[in-house]
This record gives sequence, structure tokens and C-alpha cells, in this order.
Amino acid sequence: DIQMTQSPSSLSASVGDRVTITCRASQDIRNDFGWYQQKPGKAPKRLIYAASTLQSGVPSRFSGSGSGTEFTLTISSLQPEDFATYYCLQHNDYPYTFGQGTKVEIK
Amino acid sequence: EVEMVESGGGLAQPGGSLRLSCTASDFTFSSYSMNWVRQAPGKGLEWVANINQDGTEKYYVDSVRGRFTISRDNAQNSLYLQMNYLRAEDTAVYFCASGSGTWGQGTLVTVSS
Repeated sequence: DIQMTQSPSSLSASVGDRVTITCRASQDIRNDFGWYQQKPGKAPKRLIYAASTLQSGVPSRFSGSGSGTEFTLTISSLQPEDFATYYCLQHNDYPYTFGQGTKVEIK
Repeated sequence: EVEMVESGGGLAQPGGSLRLSCTASDFTFSSYSMNWVRQAPGKGLEWVANINQDGTEKYYVDSVRGRFTISRDNAQNSLYLQMNYLRAEDTAVYFCASGSGTWGQGTLVTVSS
């Protein structure tokens, strides 16, 4: 199975901060990769697909980069509604696997 | 607006069965592969199963293979998950998720005696 190692597991940040979350795959997954945001009690929401393509309707402060084994989600200026848990997902091979999640909290 | 709604969750005894459904509206359901993803209480996301657009290819996480069956009915815009031989560790919120990125709101499955 492909392991997805996400870091950090949590972070504290202030409104307006630039935030970066990283995911590393245990083998080359090309760009078969996405980022998801989940708020408590809600379904996950896809932010980024194909590693760097912004899902329709998602604010442009979110961006994704990377290919192969290293991927990054950047929030350029954190907003109050961005406090949530973020997950990465690889869909290059079965079983699909998620990262462990990064909880973004208010500093 | 694209919407997917799950149903069929509830309380089941260990060894019992449940059938989850997910009905999609307002998008081309048959054009996308579909997935079931679950989330145990307080835990992260776990992919469970995938089915391709015409239902001919199905994949499962090891922990459910042989117990769960994914299926779809494109004429009804519906996705299903038949869950047999349920275990306590299957307790989770189950989400359906389209290859387009759309997710349902989830349905809670609790396995307990």
C-alpha cells in the first residue's frame, strides 16, 4: 500500500498568516493527488485535484504544488473560515490512502 | 446544484448486515467513478471501496474485502454499499464521494450489541 505522511499533524496560526502543509508519498504517485478540508460534523470538501488544480468555487488563497512524492498545500492568507482539518489523498493505486490530517487551529 | 444524499445507516449487531445507499442529483452520475469513504468517531478518513463508471471494476480496502460489496445503478443515479458480517470496528460515518469531487453528507453506522 502507498503510505501518505502528512505534516504537521497540527498547527496554530493567526488570521492573515501564510500556512503550508506537506504530504509525502511512499512511492511515485505522479499527480494523482488531492487536498480536502473538513470542518467538524461536516463532509470533507475537495480543494485541490491533480495536485495543483483548484476546485471550482474554492478561493484563490488556496494553492497546491508538487508531483511524484512531495506535495504542498499553501494558504496564502489564513481566513477565519479556514480553521479546519486538512487531508491529502492519493488515488494513483488501490487502496487509495489518506494522510493522517492536519488540524489548523487559531493562535 | 450537485447533491448526493446517503441513507441506510443505523445500529447493527456484530455479524449483522446493513445496506447503504447514495443518490445523486443534478449531475452526470454515470460519467464518474464512485467511492465510499468512512470516518470512525474522532479519527481520520479511510477509503473503503471504489467502483468504475459502468460497474465492471470494483476495489476494496483489505479490511472489508469479502464482507462489503459496492454496486451502482446508473439509471437510478444511485450507489450502494452492502455491508455483511459487520464488526465493531466498522462503526463510522460513511460518505459517498464522486470522482468529480462531490461528497454526500454522510450516514452513521454503529455496530454494537
